[in-house]
Amino acid sequence: RKEVEQDPGPFNVPEGATVAFNCTYSNSASQSFFWYRQDCRKEPKLLMSVYSSGNEDGRFTAQLNRASQYISLLIRDSKLSDSATYLCVVNANNTGKLIFGQGTTLQVKP
Amino acid sequence: DGGITQSPKYLFRKEGQNVTLSCEQNLNHDAMYWYRQDPGQGLRLIYYSQIVNDFQKGDIAEGYSVSREKKESFPLTVTSAQKNPTAFYLCASCPGLAHNEQFFGPGTRLTVL
Repeated sequence: RKEVEQDPGPFNVPEGATVAFNCTYSNSASQSFFWYRQDCRKEPKLLMSVYSSGNEDGRFTAQLNRASQYISLLIRDSKLSDSATYLCVVNANNTGKLIFGQGTTLQVKP
Repeated sequence: DGGITQSPKYLFRKEGQNVTLSCEQNLNHDAMYWYRQDPGQGLRLIYYSQIVNDFQKGDIAEGYSVSREKKESFPLTVTSAQKNPTAFYLCASCPGLAHNEQFFGPGTRLTVL
């Protein structure tokens, strides 16, 4: 079993749709969680950290479920510019090593 | 402007040659990391360094070497022992606190012919 698993997609959605991605992690001792966004052939950039209480940043909402060991990312009112690959990232312990999922590709269509 | 730079953006080498990828940061970050990314796969950790003059192997260190003689610099050498060196290589840094996010350089796309 992979340490961090994501559905690679692609998720094809129309503009304005709401889309949700899930990510599961295997190490119950994981401490920190992040969503990164990666555009084609570019470096990943931090989208948002994921906190236990859940957090929201504009159209983006991240949730953490420690009991079931998954995190989610919800995007409301999708824009064409949201088309990218979304990487689920877990910091398993205090070494600073991050474990990356393979990414979920989102394509927003007009 | 503060940031992480990697050079070159594209690199071509012949099979059997060693090649060194550059990574520099002026963010005063303690920790630096090297990843490779292959199509359809997540980033995989090659080496990381938490402090100057110290580094540890990541998950796929075989065929690679690094040095950390200066805080700002963490060059990666891809040796001829690396079986499949063609990939997108990403360097990252973070302040050193375990829970901080990492900041990535723009990447170097290495193609071995």
